[in-house]
Amino acid sequence: GAGVSQSPSNKVTEKGKDVELRCDPISGHTALYWYRQSLGQGLEFLIYFQGNSAPDKSGLPSDRFSAERTGGSVSTLTIQRTQQEDSAVYLCASSSQGAQNTEAFFGQGTRLTVV
Amino acid sequence: GQQLNQSPQSMFIQEGEDVSMNCTSSSIFNTWLWYKQDPGEGPVLLIALYKAGELTSNGRLTAQFGITRKDSFLNISASIPSDVGIYFCAGNGMDSSYKLIFGSGTRLLVRP
Repeated sequence: GAGVSQSPSNKVTEKGKDVELRCDPISGHTALYWYRQSLGQGLEFLIYFQGNSAPDKSGLPSDRFSAERTGGSVSTLTIQRTQQEDSAVYLCASSSQGAQNTEAFFGQGTRLTVV
Repeated sequence: GQQLNQSPQSMFIQEGEDVSMNCTSSSIFNTWLWYKQDPGEGPVLLIALYKAGELTSNGRLTAQFGITRKDSFLNISASIPSDVGIYFCAGNGMDSSYKLIFGSGTRLLVRP
């Protein structure tokens, strides 16, 4: 596609439920990133993919968070047993340069609200 | 881990005024980036800086990569209402070439 696409744009879920957030990167971009943005805050790094592998998962807050990428394209971020503190905007970005994140393009984000 | 201090936290200015915001780091950064985020949207890259001392312009925007590699500033000249938004600095530190560290943002409001 023309840009990074994320779905859904908004998600309201009950505490304890699992959620899946999807990211379609720009076609041909090998690097894919997930960030989390809490209200009024900057962006918190979650995970980085180069192709289908994730060299760096250090930003995932807990083992309830996981992500995968298939076919070097679409990525899914899964949050199990959601908690209220998981409420945030989850942003995905992609880049054609895996080694340097200097031209990362962001999607519009998924706003997750856990009630 | 590495952190960025971005200031000011917010600015409320008159249309036509110039704006300046900056970021500082406790450690050396290899790149400095400036993004703008509009409500409900993801951040959009404005300027990327790769070398210490580099000064780069993009229209009314000018940004510089500090000589010490620990700071950067963004200037906006002759502000207009559509400049409203949140501006973030970001950079790659020495410990990671791919993990962007973001500042907490500067919220800019422009009074017509």
